[in-house]
Amino acid sequence: AQSVTQPDIHITVSEGASLELRCNYSYGATPYLFWYVQSPGQGLQLLLKYFSGDTLVQGIKGFEAEFKRSQSSFNLRKPSVHWSDAAEYFCAVGSNTGNQFYFGTGTSLTVIP
Amino acid sequence: EAGVAQSPRYKIIEKRQSVAFWCNPISGHATLYWYQQILGQGPKLLIQFQNNGVVDDSQLPKDRFSAERLKGVDSTLKIQPAKLEDSAVYLCASSLHAGQSYEQYFGPGTRLTVT
Repeated sequence: AQSVTQPDIHITVSEGASLELRCNYSYGATPYLFWYVQSPGQGLQLLLKYFSGDTLVQGIKGFEAEFKRSQSSFNLRKPSVHWSDAAEYFCAVGSNTGNQFYFGTGTSLTVIP
Repeated sequence: EAGVAQSPRYKIIEKRQSVAFWCNPISGHATLYWYQQILGQGPKLLIQFQNNGVVDDSQLPKDRFSAERLKGVDSTLKIQPAKLEDSAVYLCASSLHAGQSYEQYFGPGTRLTVT
């Protein structure tokens, strides 16, 4: 069965520092992978997605993620974090044969000045 | 374009009471989803509609939860009777079509507290 693990419950970074949020998935075939961001009181917003092709995916707000099949990972990165990036980040995996989404438990990001 | 609308934004009820949530998807979106997000967890799909038909309701607790999507547009999710463990944020999302290649757009959610 599909599952997603986000090992880091909470991360704190300084503004301007680089960021990497970890995501590991379990899926038997080629997964569809997503990163969503959820700001307080807001709905989930899609940052980026991977279906196939280039394993380095560019998203909105300066985020990118790299699909590594050998490590079953899809880590999210940003070279320089802004205070407005403070939010909850969710990794999700979907099947390419159905519509089911499986979300990780999320990583809460705090940005300090 | 207008986003996914949900109401109410907050609801507090006592256990064993009933409650209903409303969702208005983005115009023209055929697929509608209801998710339950318990504090500290990721969203969990409860039910998916394609137009006014149910595609997947395998994780919907059917003894107390029900949902409908009349005329393939708006949708309501009902809980009757509510239990303490139903305290969560209920998210509605819509997409143009079913399938992973279509982005899901999420509403702001309804925060339910059951006391």
